[in-house]
Amino acid sequence: DTGVSQDPRHKITKRGQNVTFRCDPISEHNRLYWYRQTLGQGPEFLTYFQNEAQLEKSRLLSDRFSAERPKGSFSTLEIQRTEQGDSAMYLCASSSTRASHNEQFFGPGTRLTVL
Amino acid sequence: QKEVEQNSGPLSVPEGAIASLNCTYSDRGSQSFFWYRQYSGKSPELIMSIYSNGDKEDGRFTAQLNKASQYVSLLIRDSQPSDSATYLCAVRRNFNKFYFGSGTKLNVKP
Repeated sequence: DTGVSQDPRHKITKRGQNVTFRCDPISEHNRLYWYRQTLGQGPEFLTYFQNEAQLEKSRLLSDRFSAERPKGSFSTLEIQRTEQGDSAMYLCASSSTRASHNEQFFGPGTRLTVL
Repeated sequence: QKEVEQNSGPLSVPEGAIASLNCTYSDRGSQSFFWYRQYSGKSPELIMSIYSNGDKEDGRFTAQLNKASQYVSLLIRDSQPSDSATYLCAVRRNFNKFYFGSGTKLNVKP
């Protein structure tokens, strides 16, 4: 049973460029979450999917951020016109509706540096 | 007021001692509670979950929940240097939304 995978693991980009990250959840997990984490802080919720439906999106998320999960399997998170404040670790987590309390398991994260 | 509050630490304990980590949460409607361990530069790893008032033990770890006081704690017995990490408290509410604290850094000294 493989865990959650994320690609790339590191991304360095220049301000104003677009970036896209991919997350592959644990195979039988139908819920998928994206979080952002900065140094010294806990993960901050960005958005989550149940199957292919995006059920909630943080009000803190600007319209430069978009996420998709087209077939209910892998998901992508795109950031358009990146800013230096977007530099952070982007974490993906997955869980199953069959888990009674929705335990989440995290991938290794994508560390984004915006120059 | 933050959804989940943790003392940032660092909490320093000698090897073999009991480490006690605490967390408070603001919403009485919170349904499930989790402890994650995060090593520097790595992603969070789930170590314990608790849903009912009282204690839950798993190996060297004991999670304690007091819903009346909106308080969750994690005890680590026989602390080892490998336990040195940041411990994140998380709560689930609104069915499927999670809120994380900022974490407590634990240092276990050999």
